[in-house]
Amino acid sequence: EDQVTQSPEALRLQEGESSSLNCSYTVSGLRGLFWYRQDPGKGPEFLFTLYSAGEEKEKERLKATLTKKESFLHITAPKPEDSATYLCAVEGSGNTGKLIFGQGTTLQVKP
Amino acid sequence: DGGITQSPKYLFRKEGQNVTLSCEQNLNHDAMYWYRQDPGQGLRLIYYSQIVNDFQKGDIAEGYSVSREKKESFPLTVTSAQKNPTAFYLCASKMRATDTQYFGPGTRLTVL
Repeated sequence: EDQVTQSPEALRLQEGESSSLNCSYTVSGLRGLFWYRQDPGKGPEFLFTLYSAGEEKEKERLKATLTKKESFLHITAPKPEDSATYLCAVEGSGNTGKLIFGQGTTLQVKP
Repeated sequence: DGGITQSPKYLFRKEGQNVTLSCEQNLNHDAMYWYRQDPGQGLRLIYYSQIVNDFQKGDIAEGYSVSREKKESFPLTVTSAQKNPTAFYLCASKMRATDTQYFGPGTRLTVL
């Protein structure tokens, strides 16, 4: 059964304190791994898609990496506006677009 | 403005009522999806449609129904058979040839 587990559930950082969020997955035939950012009461906002082990993508203070079993979202020198819930999802084989989501990591960055 | 719209933003339902949530997109996306989000849980797939007039059940389809009569519209009906409908409902869409789904702003449904 395809499964995604994110850790930690919640993370509190001081502004400028770098850290990483983890997304562990089991899926039959990874088609893609997705990271989204979600603000309270809003729909998820797309951040990155990763397709194969060793791939990395960056956007401002965020960097996503992928191995065969997990993905990391590295946050460098975060700012209070980075506070949000970060969601990880995987799509397995089949080309249906069915995404399996983790429960998310809620990040709070204090000034 | 291109994007995905969901309406209403907030919806209140009495026990035993059916309600319909709207999802419209003007991105010319082929596939559309409905997810449910509960506190502390990941998004769960309710129904999806890859082409007009065709749709498939997701992981939690019981108590829900959908239609896909137009490419840009994918309404979700929450029926009285859904025992615990209070949740945040999210609609998403994507091009068939790409992998990334884009989400609408969501509808929060509360059963009174």
